[in-house]
Amino acid sequence: GEDVEQSLFLSVREGDSSVINCTYTDSSSTYLYWYKQEPGAGLQLLTYIFSNMDMKQDQRLTVLLNKKDKHLSLRIADTQTGDSAIYFCAGKSGGSYIPTFGRGTSLIVHP
Amino acid sequence: DTGVSQNPRHKITKRGQNVTFRCDPISEHNRLYWYRQTLGQGPEFLTYFQNEAQLEKSRLLSDRFSAERPKGSFSTLEIQRTEQGDSAMYLCASSLANSVTGELFFGEGSRLTVL
Repeated sequence: GEDVEQSLFLSVREGDSSVINCTYTDSSSTYLYWYKQEPGAGLQLLTYIFSNMDMKQDQRLTVLLNKKDKHLSLRIADTQTGDSAIYFCAGKSGGSYIPTFGRGTSLIVHP
Repeated sequence: DTGVSQNPRHKITKRGQNVTFRCDPISEHNRLYWYRQTLGQGPEFLTYFQNEAQLEKSRLLSDRFSAERPKGSFSTLEIQRTEQGDSAMYLCASSLANSVTGELFFGEGSRLTVL
């Protein structure tokens, strides 16, 4: 099955860019996701990318996918204190209805 | 609010007791998932329903765990003879079968503490 790995912590200064990295093992992963979890809240989909894409941009968010290295990254431009949360990478193959999640990266934004 | 609703939000119980959690998905969503999340970990898949049919169960779902979705709407997750290792956040999510993105919509979770 799919295995998804992420670094556990990232600390950035407000206004800087944040880059959160993720690696996955299943080369048949067709859909890759970034979910955000704020304290006391459920996970919420931030953005996603299909495996036939290399990059997707959505306002301050840029997702890069390197299929050869099975590496996914999420860049947040102009990071704000409200971006402080846990960010989960998840992958799903086309034949499955069940996403597999990483352990999450805790993003701390300080003034 | 028409999001995914979970009850109770918190449950403290003694080891050996039974507990039941309820999930009300978004009304038109035909897929429903249960995940478990422990401190410092990501959500781990437990089981998944399409309508009332339970289509897949994880090896994590021991015999003490049972989930139902009798009318294809709300679902319950029961844990019998709870153990301290069952302490976790139990997350419910729902989705549309014909969703292009496969996005899951999560509830806020039910936190279980077993003493």
